Amino acid sequence: DAGVTQSPTHLIKTRGQQVTLRCSPKSGHDTVSWYQQALGQGPQFIFQYYEEEERQRGNFPDRFSGHQFPNYSSELNVNALLLGDSALYLCASSLGTGGAGYTFGSGTRLTVV
Amino acid sequence: KQEVTQIPAALSVPEGENLVLNCSFTDSAIYNLQWFRQDPGKGLTSLLLIQSSQREQTSGRLNASLDKSSGRSTLYIAASQPGDSATYLCAEMSSNTGKLIFGQGTTLQVKP
Repeated sequence: DAGVTQSPTHLIKTRGQQVTLRCSPKSGHDTVSWYQQALGQGPQFIFQYYEEEERQRGNFPDRFSGHQFPNYSSELNVNALLLGDSALYLCASSLGTGGAGYTFGSGTRLTVV
Repeated sequence: KQEVTQIPAALSVPEGENLVLNCSFTDSAIYNLQWFRQDPGKGLTSLLLIQSSQREQTSGRLNASLDKSSGRSTLYIAASQPGDSATYLCAEMSSNTGKLIFGQGTTLQVKP
């Protein structure tokens, strides 16, 4: 039973560019949440997607956007990258918006230079 | 504003020692509290989840407690091993929102 899979595992982007990160939820899960984890910090909630709509959003600018597809997979897009966007981006899936069975992927390490 | 604080930020102990990691939270409407393990550069592995109606959960050498009245949770690790070396994060979920609020973590090193 595959867990949460994220791609790519690492990438390097230049300041000002745009990036798309991808997440496939655990089988049977229908909700995807994204988190940003800066070095030495705990993860911070970006947003949550359920039924292809953004249901909740954390304190992140509009440069951060997302999408959920009919198969429940999700993308995180970040525009106009800043050096401060360098972080580990974690995807978590669950059943329903209440967080049942919360499962994290291994993350995508984004470095902005 | 909901906040989660973990003390200490780092801890180094000799193998075999019993240890306690602390987590405090400000949310009075906590739905559940979870403890996670994170190895360097990796994702999060869930260790224990305590529902707001529960006082503690146990898994092997790990025991986590929850005291809503004081806003505190502790993770007890018995007979620590070098393989326990990792960062331990606690996170609370408020009122079934599906959103986790994390502490900054405690980085544990267990020396052989």
